Amino acid sequence: AQSVAQPEDQVNVAEGNPLTVKCTYSVSGNPYLFWYVQYPNRGLQFLLKYITGDNLVKGSYGFEAEFNKSQTSFHLKKPSALVSDSALYFCAVRDKINFNKFYFGSGTKLNVKP
Amino acid sequence: NAGVMQNPRHLVRRRGQEARLRCSPMKGHSHVYWYRQLPEEGLKFMVYLQKENIIDESGMPKERFSAEFPKEGPSILRIQQVVRGDSAAYFCASSPSPGGNQPQHFGDGTRLSIL
Repeated sequence: AQSVAQPEDQVNVAEGNPLTVKCTYSVSGNPYLFWYVQYPNRGLQFLLKYITGDNLVKGSYGFEAEFNKSQTSFHLKKPSALVSDSALYFCAVRDKINFNKFYFGSGTKLNVKP
Repeated sequence: NAGVMQNPRHLVRRRGQEARLRCSPMKGHSHVYWYRQLPEEGLKFMVYLQKENIIDESGMPKERFSAEFPKEGPSILRIQQVVRGDSAAYFCASSPSPGGNQPQHFGDGTRLSIL
């Protein structure tokens, strides 16, 4: 079965500091991995994806993610956090047979303090 | 706004009533997906539809829940005889195709509360 895990329910970081939101995956073969962000009372917004190619993927709003096959991880990063980055972040993996299915992690709440 | 539109944003029903949730996909998208999000949890896949066809309903409860995506009009998620446990946020997403490198685009959800 395919799945992703987000080991941290919450991440706190000061504005201007680098941030990391962790995600590990369990997938046979090469995964299709995605990060989404959810602001209060809103739907999920796509940030970035890894399909193939460079392990470092750049996305929206200055976010990037590093695919690490040996550690089966796809951590979300940003060099300098903003207060406006405070939101709920979801990692997801796409089923490679049934493309319609995404498996989402339980989410990590990011708090960026001024 | 050409995004995924869901209505209503909030829906209150009493136990035993019916709830109807609507979703209009992005322009040009013919693939619709419904998810349920319980508080403090991630999204759980419910059903995948194309126009006039249910492709995958493996995440849908066997009873009381149904979904459709007619040739004309929005996709509808219908919950009959609602119970307290149906209280959740229901999200619709759409994509132009089910291809592996296409992200899904989400609506802002319908928050269903059962009294």
